[in-house]
Amino acid sequence: QSALTQPASVSGSPGQSITISCTGTSSDVGGYNYVSWYQQHPGKAPKLMIYDVSKRPSGVSNRFSGSKSGNTASLTISGLQAEDEADYYCCSYAGITTWVFGGGTKLTVL
Amino acid sequence: QVQLQQWGAGLLKPSETLSLTCAVYGESFSGYYWSWIRQPPGKGLEWIGEINHSGSTNYNPSLESRVTMSVDTSKNQFSLKLRSVTAADTAVFFCARHVTGDFYFDYWGQGTLVTVSS
Repeated sequence: QSALTQPASVSGSPGQSITISCTGTSSDVGGYNYVSWYQQHPGKAPKLMIYDVSKRPSGVSNRFSGSKSGNTASLTISGLQAEDEADYYCCSYAGITTWVFGGGTKLTVL
Repeated sequence: QVQLQQWGAGLLKPSETLSLTCAVYGESFSGYYWSWIRQPPGKGLEWIGEINHSGSTNYNPSLESRVTMSVDTSKNQFSLKLRSVTAADTAVFFCARHVTGDFYFDYWGQGTLVTVSS
């Protein structure tokens, strides 16, 4: 199974909105509503931000939202803040009890 | 509060066996699957495999021939062995949890850097 495709980097100014895409296939992203998103600050473990495409865990800001269309999932962060600067990874269930991650996107808050 | 604490040897030579252990605190061991996920320096995440409290395993097909996972329910610990390592296995390894029947990783260990070098 191949890694999901994410843009290497995105950037935005404080207060703006950005969207990170995550493209897979009908065997993973397109086949299941089990896409999750993780935020990772340097030297830290990933943190769950979105699960089941669009659900937010308790404690995660409602500035983070997720969606999916076909084989592409998206993470949108609105009202960008300095602390949102991090790497973001998507992940999809890929059937037969396996998972596939994206290559990661570095978000820079200008 | 659930905590995953992991440890293991950080420097290996090519052809050796990587061995890591993850201990689970603050939560029952059953009802979950416990995964290992790695991240090569500067690169993305790769799921290695998972195990549950009864020892049922699922592995990434690309690593299955070299991976063994085990569980010690008396200690609330699970372990990873990766045989015949090469420089390409150099990575930060994370342990993580997902609820059986759910499809996301909600708790993660702190990560362990394993370097393979002659």
